[in-house]
Amino acid sequence: AQSVTQLDSHVSVSEGTPVLLRCNYSSSYSPSLFWYVQHPNKGLQLLLKYTSAATLVKGINGFEAEFKKSETSFHLTKPSAHMSDAAEYFCVVSDYPTSGTYKYIFGTGTRLKVLA
Amino acid sequence: GAVVSQHPSWVICKSGTSVKIECRSLDFQATTMFWYRQFPKQSLMLMATSNEGSKATYEQGVEKDKFLINHASLTLSTLTVTSAHPEDSSFYICSARDWRSGGADTQYFGPGTRLTVL
Repeated sequence: AQSVTQLDSHVSVSEGTPVLLRCNYSSSYSPSLFWYVQHPNKGLQLLLKYTSAATLVKGINGFEAEFKKSETSFHLTKPSAHMSDAAEYFCVVSDYPTSGTYKYIFGTGTRLKVLA
Repeated sequence: GAVVSQHPSWVICKSGTSVKIECRSLDFQATTMFWYRQFPKQSLMLMATSNEGSKATYEQGVEKDKFLINHASLTLSTLTVTSAHPEDSSFYICSARDWRSGGADTQYFGPGTRLTVL
């Protein structure tokens, strides 16, 4: 079965410093992996998606993630945090290869706090 | 592109009444939509998968008679919470697949609906 594990429930960084949000996945197939961001009382916004075309994926708002098969990781990074980045971040894997459905399997989320 | 809307954004109702939440794909056709429930400070829980023109597929433990889902067109799915009770209070989020813009397995999410049952 496919799964994702977000290693940190909370991450705090100072404004202008790098952001690292960690995600490990488990999959028997080549997975489709996603990062979404959720601001308070809002829906989820797609940051980026990995689909095996390139291991380094660039997303919106300066975020990027690198797919590392040997480490089964898909960590999200940003060189310089902005106050507006404070939100909940979800790492997601598509269950399509396993179940044939397009369900998502969600990580438990990482709350990013940006300090002034 | 790939915009999903929900209406209403928040609703307060009395216990025992029914509430309908609409999910619309604004600029694309969605054969599949999903309904999620999110409790405070938690991840999303999939309630059901809604397929246009057919019955919804509910996740284990979700009462299909309690949460009625209709996907009558390629741009609209509705979730009706019947005989709502305070324990149904939650944040409900829908999503839709848009294979054109993100690939077959990419979901785009609505802004959510906050339901409070008194």
